[in-house]
Amino acid sequence: ETGVTQTPRHLVMGMTNKKSLKCEQHLGHNAMYWYKQSAKKPLELMFVYNFKEQTENNSVPSRFSPECPNSSHLFLHLHTLQPEDSALYLCASSRTSGGSDSYEQYFGPGTRLTVT
Amino acid sequence: ILNVEQSPQSLHVQEGDSTNFTCSFPSSNFYALHWYRWETAKSPEALFVMTLNGDEKKKGRISATLNTKEGYSYLYIKGSQPEDSATYLCAFGSPGGNEKLTFGTGTRLTIIP
Repeated sequence: ETGVTQTPRHLVMGMTNKKSLKCEQHLGHNAMYWYKQSAKKPLELMFVYNFKEQTENNSVPSRFSPECPNSSHLFLHLHTLQPEDSALYLCASSRTSGGSDSYEQYFGPGTRLTVT
Repeated sequence: ILNVEQSPQSLHVQEGDSTNFTCSFPSSNFYALHWYRWETAKSPEALFVMTLNGDEKKKGRISATLNTKEGYSYLYIKGSQPEDSATYLCAFGSPGGNEKLTFGTGTRLTIIP
């Protein structure tokens, strides 16, 4: 157990559906992240939230909509996805970085998403 | 676009043998280098975070070195055990406050009993 949970663990959705992924961390961290891992590709950063404010959007299409209501919860709202969006979506959290320090990230188990 | 390369892509090692693999990253604008271990069906787990040239860190049988001037890091595993089987990821951290990590594709290590 890393202290970061994600639900659901598996999700199959059609291209016209709307669904949400949920992430929760119990570590007292202030930074939370969404990553995508497609087959044969490296982990790709999607969004970063720091103290509930979005600080990074890595050119992610608008059909992915993040929400961070507080420092412990992070959502990824999905709508009108494409089959190529099928991937493993990982959430992570960390202490807020800044200055010369760099902190390890704690990952959840991921949501395996299949878009049909 | 940052390029983080890991080699080899996969590796089979006899139990008890020692092994090492490489992470290459841009030598300019260095901020941090992270190593993670990712076992199948589990979450990636942090091994090391290194920020200084010449850093050497150790956790049990696993150690890592960092050369920021030439842009590489080595991960060493001494006396491999079956539980070391996993994918090992390195990630390059860019400066700018938040952790914007760029990951390599990983080295998949299989320990043969």
